[in-house]
Order: sequence, then structure tokens, then C-alpha cells
Amino acid sequence: NAGVTQTPKFQVLKTGQSMTLQCAQDMNHNSMYWYRQDPGMGLRLIYYSASEGTTDKGEVPNGYNVSRLNKREFSLRLESAAPSQTSVYFCASTLGRRFMNTEAFFGQGTRLTVV
Amino acid sequence: GENVEQHPSTLSVQEGDSAVIKCTYSDSASNYFPWYKQELGKGPQLIIDIRSNVGEKKDQRIAVTLNKTAKHFSLHITETQPEDSAVYFCAASPSGSARQLTFGSGTQLTVLP
Repeated sequence: NAGVTQTPKFQVLKTGQSMTLQCAQDMNHNSMYWYRQDPGMGLRLIYYSASEGTTDKGEVPNGYNVSRLNKREFSLRLESAAPSQTSVYFCASTLGRRFMNTEAFFGQGTRLTVV
Repeated sequence: GENVEQHPSTLSVQEGDSAVIKCTYSDSASNYFPWYKQELGKGPQLIIDIRSNVGEKKDQRIAVTLNKTAKHFSLHITETQPEDSAVYFCAASPSGSARQLTFGSGTQLTVLP
């Protein structure tokens, strides 16, 4: 049982390039999330998908797009990468919609550097 | 919106000693307070949480206390072990939903053998 799997683990992009971060979970969870983690700032929510077919903006959505491809997969796309998007990105999933009532499981992260 | 401040940013303790990490929050409507542990190269993992109708919660060597009047909550780890070394994050939410979950900036705990 792999849990939440993110690919790639590391990536270096040039400013202006695009890329997609992939996330898949095998726990039959309904809700999925993308966070970014920057030094001294904790985790900030970029986008989330409460259920298959829906997506909503989080705290810092600018410069990103997401796709909930199916119940298992939730991808994050950077259309034109900027140095400010250098960060560690985490995908998470929960069975229910509220962290209060259901444990969140996180992937191992993708370390992205934009030069 | 909610603002969560976490202290200290780094903490070193001797193996066997206790460690305390403190967080304050600003939104009086917050009623869900989880703590996450992040080991090197891994994603955060929930270790304990507390809700506003409870003042203290324990799970073996870990305990969390909540003071709603003062708007602060703390993580207590007793009899620390080297495997407790990690980054710890507190968070607060008025609804328990991810959209409203605000994280603290993290505490790097190092347990010295």
C-alpha cells in the first residue's frame, strides 16, 4: 500500500518553462490537496479537490492550475515557471472533506528549483 | 484571516528530557488544532490533535494543551528519544477544513544522545 505518491521528487526548471507535478493515492480517498512549503512559512494551500470533478483555490493559487484526472490522481501545473515558485510541493489526501474528521496523508514532496 | 505563530524555531534537548513547543493563534473562532511531525525527506504526518471542547489530550509520550482564553496551545514530548528529532508544525482552523487550516512556521527539534 503506497499511500500518496508524487513524481518527480526533484526538478530544476528555467524561468518560463512549464511542467506538471503528478500525485496519485491508492487509499480511495475523496479529497486531495496541493501545498507548498517555504522556509520559515509552514505549509500553504495552493489548490484542493474536495471530490472527483471539483477543484477550488486555496491560499496561494496564482501561477498554478490543477486537474483532478480521476479519483486517484490530482496534478499541479506550472504554465510559466518563476523563481518565486521555487519551493517544496506536497500533495495530500483525505477520506473526508475536513481534516478535523479524517486524517490527512502526505506524499514525500517534490523539490522544485526555478532558475 | 488566521495567523499562527510558533516558537521556538529550533530546540535542542538531551535524550530523556522533555520538549515543549508553543503556538499562538489569532482567530477566536478556531476550534481545531493539529500537530504534524515531518521527518527529513518525508511529508508531514499527524501525531496528535485537539478540539476546542478539550483542554488537554495525551497519547503515550505526547500531550497537547489548549488555552482558548489566551489563544495558545502547546505540544509536550516527554522522555525524548533520538527518533523524535524532526520538524514539528502546529496548525489551527475554525472549521477543520483544509481551506481554513493555517500552519505555524515549524520547530526543528533535535534530541541529543
